[in-house]
Order: sequence, then structure tokens, then C-alpha cells
Amino acid sequence: GQQLNQSPQSMFIQEGEDVSMNCTSSSIFNTWLWYKQDPGEGPVLLIALYKAGELTSNGRLTAQFGITRKDSFLNISASIPSDVGIYFCAGHPREETSGSRLTFGEGTQLTVNP
Amino acid sequence: KAGVTQTPRYLIKTRGQQVTLSCSPISGHRSVSWYQQTPGQGLQFLFEYFSETQRNKGNFPGRFSGRQFSNSRSEMNVSTLELGDSALYLCASSLVTGTANYGYTFGSGTRLTVV
Repeated sequence: GQQLNQSPQSMFIQEGEDVSMNCTSSSIFNTWLWYKQDPGEGPVLLIALYKAGELTSNGRLTAQFGITRKDSFLNISASIPSDVGIYFCAGHPREETSGSRLTFGEGTQLTVNP
Repeated sequence: KAGVTQTPRYLIKTRGQQVTLSCSPISGHRSVSWYQQTPGQGLQFLFEYFSETQRNKGNFPGRFSGRQFSNSRSEMNVSTLELGDSALYLCASSLVTGTANYGYTFGSGTRLTVV
């Protein structure tokens, strides 16, 4: 099925470093979402973006909705050990026919060394 | 407020058997979406139910089916299980359909292993 192109696939960083990951798509999305998934759990929403160009922060997390509506990035500043997990981007076209269907990126596995 | 509840958490089945998974949405949520998560394919949309009607369907074979009850609880069924059906099955609930906001929340999933 269709997926978003998310990069990098994995990152190994030191505690305190900043992290950046991004997603691109060949299709336009009108909503971009960023999730974090811990082992054995479902994804938890971190940030939601609803307007092209929008820049939104949630604590140490900042995400932007690309102007073309085909990309988004997530930054994590001053990483801490509990940031470890898999981060997913997801898009929603916000069309009537799409219901609540989300398209997901492949995920970025983040490892933080203390 | 209780979150999305999926049961069972873990399941082991044999090839050829069928399985039923359950998802209880957050109280008041009327939309339930199901996803399959595997290491190779990532998170793939299965289907969505809203007000007891299938609203949307992903690209999965007919062995995968679902339904929703009047209290918004949803079940998905997989018949004639194959080894490749081993996955984490996630459901997500939201207040309404047609959008990714209004409290779109995932459950913890059911880990299905087919042997």
C-alpha cells in the first residue's frame, strides 16, 4: 500500500543532542501527524499540523507542515533517554471519501545514549 | 476517561484457523479504524467503521473482515490464517469520521502470532 517516505530509518545519538527527521510524499496531505511508539504499545500522538506552512511546538518537539503539503519534519531538541522509541509521520488527505484513514511513514528508530 | 481497549493483547493461532479481535473505543467515539503493523510493511490501513457501517477499506484480501456494534465496539476477523498474518493489529477511535483530529487515539494492539 501507499506509504510516506520517512528518513532516516534509524538514528543513534548522545543525550543532549538535537534530532531531525522528515517525511515526503508524492501526494498532497491536508493534515500531517507525528506519533511516537514504545515497544508493545500503540502510537501516541505528539503533534498535529493542519495548515500548510504551520510550525507547531510541543515542549522540546517542533514540527512543520511543508508549504507544498507534500512534506513535514519533526525536530527534537536536547534529547533525553526517554525519547527512545519509533517515530512515525502520518498524513490524512482530509477528503470526504478518505474517512479517517491515515497513511504512515516507515518510522524512525531513535536510540539515545546517556 | 478510559482509553481504547483491545483484547486480547496476545494470541497464538495455527495456520488455517480463524481469529476474532476486539476493540472498545473511547466513550462517545463513533469511528473505529483498524491497522496491521509488520516489520516489513509498516502500518497499513485495514478498514474503518462508523455508525455500524464500513466507511473505508484498505488493500487486504477478503479473509480480513470487520463489523461494528451499536455501542461502537468493533471486531475484526481473519479467516484461514496464514503465517504472513502474524502482526500487531491496532485499532484507533475518534469522535467522527472524515478527519484525523477529534481525539484520534490508538489502542495498545493485539499481537497475533500464526504458527
